[in-house]
Amino acid sequence: NAGVTQTPKFRILKIGQSMTLQCTQDMNHNYMYWYRQDPGMGLKLIYYSVGAGITDKGEVPNGYNVSRSTTEDFPLRLELAAPSQTSVYFCASSYRDSRGGVSSYEQYFGPGTRLTVT
Amino acid sequence: RKEVEQDPGPFNVPEGATVAFNCTYSNSASQSFFWYRQDCRKEPKLLMSVYSSGNEDGRFTAQLNRASQYISLLIRDSKLSDSATYLCVALYTGGFKTIFGAGTRLFVKA
Repeated sequence: NAGVTQTPKFRILKIGQSMTLQCTQDMNHNYMYWYRQDPGMGLKLIYYSVGAGITDKGEVPNGYNVSRSTTEDFPLRLELAAPSQTSVYFCASSYRDSRGGVSSYEQYFGPGTRLTVT
Repeated sequence: RKEVEQDPGPFNVPEGATVAFNCTYSNSASQSFFWYRQDCRKEPKLLMSVYSSGNEDGRFTAQLNRASQYISLLIRDSKLSDSATYLCVALYTGGFKTIFGAGTRLFVKA
């Protein structure tokens, strides 16, 4: 059981290039998320998915696209990379855990992808 | 005003000390709360969930005060290995909108 895996670990892009960040989870979680974390800052939600075929925007979706064709995979696409997209990208997954009538969504994170756009 | 605010610290404490962090949230519709721990250049990992009744896990105690809209984390008998950044998280609307605080840095010294 590998949990959440992300590739690549590091990448340097030139301005205007495109790339796809891969994320896979083997825990059969329905919910998956993409975050970015800038230095000294908290994580900001880019996109999320509640199941295969269903995605929605988070707090900072501009410049990114996602797809969710299977339960396991949730790739993040950067089109026309810009220096403002230099960041660490984390993928996460979660399941629903009802406790005492209140639902909570504990998230499991991948190791991250460090992206630099120059 | 940020939706989830934390004192960035750093908190520098000796081994064995007790240290407390607070986190405030602005949206009263927040449903669930968590504390995550993040080591330098690593992914966040769940430390504990925070429930209305409060909860304890070994040396760690979390409390939620909905009336004042804050949550707290208390670490007793600090260890060197507790040195990390502690992230406060609020979830809304079925757990899809997740708001992270910027984190509080803790350094435990020998």
